Amino acid sequence: GAGVSQSPSNKVTEKGKDVELRCDPISGHTALYWYRQSLGQGLEFLIYFQGNSAPDKSGLPSDRFSAERTGGSVSTLTIQRTQQEDSAVYLCASSSRTESGANVLTFGAGSRLTVL
Amino acid sequence: SQKIEQNSEALNIQEGKTATLTCNYTNYSPAYLQWYRQDPGRGPVFLLLIRENEKEKRKERLKVTFDTTLKQSLFHITASQPADSATYLCALLSGGYQKVTFGIGTKLQVIP
Repeated sequence: GAGVSQSPSNKVTEKGKDVELRCDPISGHTALYWYRQSLGQGLEFLIYFQGNSAPDKSGLPSDRFSAERTGGSVSTLTIQRTQQEDSAVYLCASSSRTESGANVLTFGAGSRLTVL
Repeated sequence: SQKIEQNSEALNIQEGKTATLTCNYTNYSPAYLQWYRQDPGRGPVFLLLIRENEKEKRKERLKVTFDTTLKQSLFHITASQPADSATYLCALLSGGYQKVTFGIGTKLQVIP
């Protein structure tokens, strides 16, 4: 697609429920990133994928969080047994390598999660 | 531990002046540093990338410097305009240049 697409754009859920957030990256982008941004805070790194594998999962806050990517394309971030502190905007970005070898990220609009 | 520090206080500047934002880092040896712009309710948008062996990079009214001795990058917007009002984030690349870690960002307000 033309840009990074995230769904749902807004999700309100009850504490203890599971949620799935989806990211559809730019076609051909091999790297995919998930970040979390709480109100008034910076971007907290969660995980990134190179193809279907995740070299760095160090940012996942707890074992309630998991992510997968299939076919080197769509990624799903799953939060089990949601807690109120999980409320945030979840941002996805995809990337391809520039000529210099660095990844430049293109972000989606985010999925706003509210846990009541 | 690794840290990326940006002034979390908002920067207010008069239209037409040059805005200068600072990014300091510790316990990193980044080969690349990037700057992004974020508007409310939107994801960040890439602006500029600078390599460790580049002292300065320019793009239109934007200028970025990178001092690996001081472990600091400066981001300048010349002839600032109200439309430049946004939060500006610096980001460092590590992990084989694939892991991208962001600072908290500095909110810039350009006053007409």
